[in-house]
Amino acid sequence: AQRVTQPEKLLSVFKGAPVELKCNYSYSGSPELFWYVQYSRQRLQLLLRHISRESIKGFTADLNKGETSFHLKKPFAQEEDSAMYYCALAIYNQGGKLIFGQGTELSVKP
Amino acid sequence: DVKVTQSSRYLVKRTGEKVFLECVQDMDHENMFWYRQDPGLGLRLIYFSYDVKMKEKGDIPEGYSVSREKKERFSLILESASTNQTSMYLCASSFQISGSTDTQYFGPGTRLTVL
Repeated sequence: AQRVTQPEKLLSVFKGAPVELKCNYSYSGSPELFWYVQYSRQRLQLLLRHISRESIKGFTADLNKGETSFHLKKPFAQEEDSAMYYCALAIYNQGGKLIFGQGTELSVKP
Repeated sequence: DVKVTQSSRYLVKRTGEKVFLECVQDMDHENMFWYRQDPGLGLRLIYFSYDVKMKEKGDIPEGYSVSREKKERFSLILESASTNQTSMYLCASSFQISGSTDTQYFGPGTRLTVL
């Protein structure tokens, strides 16, 4: 079955601390993974995708096929990183369909 | 700049009413999607469409239908609203790319309350 799991509903850290938001997936095909973010009172938007291998706003994510994971990391959290983060898996050949995880709320305290 | 708009930000309806949620995108995207967003459940796909007049069921299509008569417009219909359909509804659109998956662009959402 195709599935995305984000085990943490809420992650609370202090400013300057490292952050890791966990994402595990289940998919028989070649995975294409994304992180989307929703800041307070804003639309859901793309943060990064694994094929581009970019660092966006200091965040990186590495696809680990052996562990079927795509964890999102940032070495030093900022208060403006507080948001809802969703991991998503693309399903091949299904019209751009994504399967989203349950979401993790990141709270960065001053 | 991609623009995805939804007809209402907030909607309050009564049980049994027929409800229409409209979504319009201005980027000539082939793909359009309807999700519902619930705390602890994430985004769940209701229906999607990869072309005009084409529709595919998502993971939770029961109680919903859709219409795509024009490329830029994708409507979600609740045939007979029920209280368990109280939720935030998000529309999204994307290009069709061969061999890959394009970024989905989201609308602002419609918060529907069914009394």
